[in-house]
Amino acid sequence: QSALTQPASVSGSPGQSITISCTGTSSDVGGFNYVSWYQQYPGKAPKLMIYDVSNRPSGVSNRFSGSKSGNTASLTISGLQAEDEADYYCSSYVSTITLVFGAGTKLTVL
Amino acid sequence: QVQLQESGPGLVKPSQTLSLTCTVSGGSISSGRYYWNWIRQPAGKGLEWIGRVYTTGSTDCNPSLKSRVTISVDTSKSQFSLNLSSVAAADTAVYYCARGVYLRYFDYWGQGTLVTVSS
Repeated sequence: QSALTQPASVSGSPGQSITISCTGTSSDVGGFNYVSWYQQYPGKAPKLMIYDVSNRPSGVSNRFSGSKSGNTASLTISGLQAEDEADYYCSSYVSTITLVFGAGTKLTVL
Repeated sequence: QVQLQESGPGLVKPSQTLSLTCTVSGGSISSGRYYWNWIRQPAGKGLEWIGRVYTTGSTDCNPSLKSRVTISVDTSKSQFSLNLSSVAAADTAVYYCARGVYLRYFDYWGQGTLVTVSS
């Protein structure tokens, strides 16, 4: 199972909006509404930001939103803040016995 | 608040077996809704799902690692464990345990533990 495709890096200025894409196939991203997104600071564990494509866990800022079109899922961060600078990973259900992660995207807040 | 904590040796020799344990607190490991997962991350690289165990002891593993992975659960101790056999340098990584809702998402993670494979 190949890793989902994410841009290696994205950047934006404070207050702007950015979008991180996560591209898979009809066997993973396109086939199920089970895409999740994780934020990871250096040396820290990942934190769940979005689940089931577009749902936010309790406590996650509403500046974070998720969507999906075809085989590509997207994470959008609006009103970019310095604290959003981190690595972001997507993940997708593949079958009843496995899943796959994206390669990760480094977000830089300029 | 659910908490997970990994424990185990930080250094393993090549060809030996890596063994880690994850202790769950603040919630029941026997809850039927959740699976208990191992995920790893080599330095500077992305996340890789290793496998999971259910409260009944049934397991699923990443096909790429399946021949070397054993995952088990001890509900009496609120722990689950990972054994990875025949390790090599490529298995050097931070290993995380995490609570999963089926294979949809992981909502709680341990802090991670670095395991280095070296002689």
